[in-house]
Amino acid sequence: ELQLVESGGGPVQPGGPLRLSCAASGLTFTTSWMNWVRQAPGKGLEWVASISPDGTDVAYVDSVRGRFTISRDNADNSLFLQMGSLRADDTAVYYCMRDRGYWTFDSWGQGTPVTVSS
Amino acid sequence: QSALSQPASVSGSPGQSVTVSCTGLSSDFGDNNYVSWYQQHPGKAPKLIIYHVNNRPSGISNRFSGSKSGNTASLTISGLQAEDEADYYCSSYEANRMFGGGTKLTVL
Repeated sequence: ELQLVESGGGPVQPGGPLRLSCAASGLTFTTSWMNWVRQAPGKGLEWVASISPDGTDVAYVDSVRGRFTISRDNADNSLFLQMGSLRADDTAVYYCMRDRGYWTFDSWGQGTPVTVSS
Repeated sequence: QSALSQPASVSGSPGQSVTVSCTGLSSDFGDNNYVSWYQQHPGKAPKLIIYHVNNRPSGISNRFSGSKSGNTASLTISGLQAEDEADYYCSSYEANRMFGGGTKLTVL
């Protein structure tokens, strides 16, 4: 099983940047599609971004495309989400997860909260 | 707005069975069986409880079962226990990377 631990969340002003990290331990990180999903306060789950095992294939939800960048470092078993031009509606708990295939997320981190506010 | 529709809430008494539905277009499910269900307790991360329509990961109680018919997938929880009170989300490989809106299960 893949263990995932997110970090980097916190308060940030509108328009500012923030970089989230997800440290993975386990044997399957380097061969797994990885994802970020977020959950706004009191709301449901929203997929944010995906990245292929080798990092060459990425995808984003429309609302963050051009502002967020997903990346990974397989040598360090780490996943990242570089967030820019942050808006109030980006306020959420951000989770990193592993896709075991066919949109099935079997490993989740504990989440890191991001609050965008002036 | 989720492509997959779930009831906002369901409830049941201890020992009873409840079913949570997840409805979409036929294209949201396709002809495959790649439907998953997640359980989320307050303040906790979601946890996979059903995958590929009706498979349980190791450690998940056999009180949880899934099914699919046409454009509706269902999660059934039998022998309700207080610990089952949580939010439940569905997802489908064909549904454009969207989750269902979530269903709050209350154990009366």
